[in-house]
Amino acid sequence: QKEVEQNSGPLSVPEGAIASLNCTYSDRGSQSFFWYRQYSGKSPELIMFIYSNGDKEDGRFTAQLNKASQYVSLLIRDSQPSDSATYLCAVNEGRNQFYFGTGTSLTVIP
Amino acid sequence: NAGVTQTPKFRILKIGQSMTLQCTQDMNHNYMYWYRQDPGMGLKLIYYSVGAGITDKGEVPNGYNVSRSTTEDFPLRLELAAPSQTSVYFCASSRNVGGGLGNEQYFGPGTRLTVT
Repeated sequence: QKEVEQNSGPLSVPEGAIASLNCTYSDRGSQSFFWYRQYSGKSPELIMFIYSNGDKEDGRFTAQLNKASQYVSLLIRDSQPSDSATYLCAVNEGRNQFYFGTGTSLTVIP
Repeated sequence: NAGVTQTPKFRILKIGQSMTLQCTQDMNHNYMYWYRQDPGMGLKLIYYSVGAGITDKGEVPNGYNVSRSTTEDFPLRLELAAPSQTSVYFCASSRNVGGGLGNEQYFGPGTRLTVT
């Protein structure tokens, strides 16, 4: 059973702070990694994807991948109340299936 | 592009009834997926398809069936609905799978199903 694990939270950060979300995965053969944001009652929305070790930055978001340690993280800089949502980590091992974590609930306090 | 669309948005079924959840994508993606999401839980894969005419089971296929006659459409059929099938159902699509650009999934808005 392939596993993707996330701390369910809730994680609370003050507005303007950095939010750090972590995800670990069990399959060493995993090839691609995704972060989705899901507002309550809405569908998952892709924020970032990363394939190579290291950092990938997109605006206020940075994804970090460490394949040797089997973890991927998402940093949100200058957190805004609109960032309050559940963040889902997803992993694809190169075949047909994607595996999702249960999500981390983030609350940004004004 | 409309992306991934799903109908209906909401549905209430009685135990034993059947229904089809519709999913259409206009991005010419090869891969399509059906997930269910229970409260406070992650997404569980029900079925997926790698192209027209090709489908396969995911993690939780029991009680469901699918077909893929065209690239665009991937309907999910519930036979003999049970309360355990109360959930939110999401359809998703991706161009590819693997380690390269294009294998990110895009999700439809979801169908909220209650079985009573």
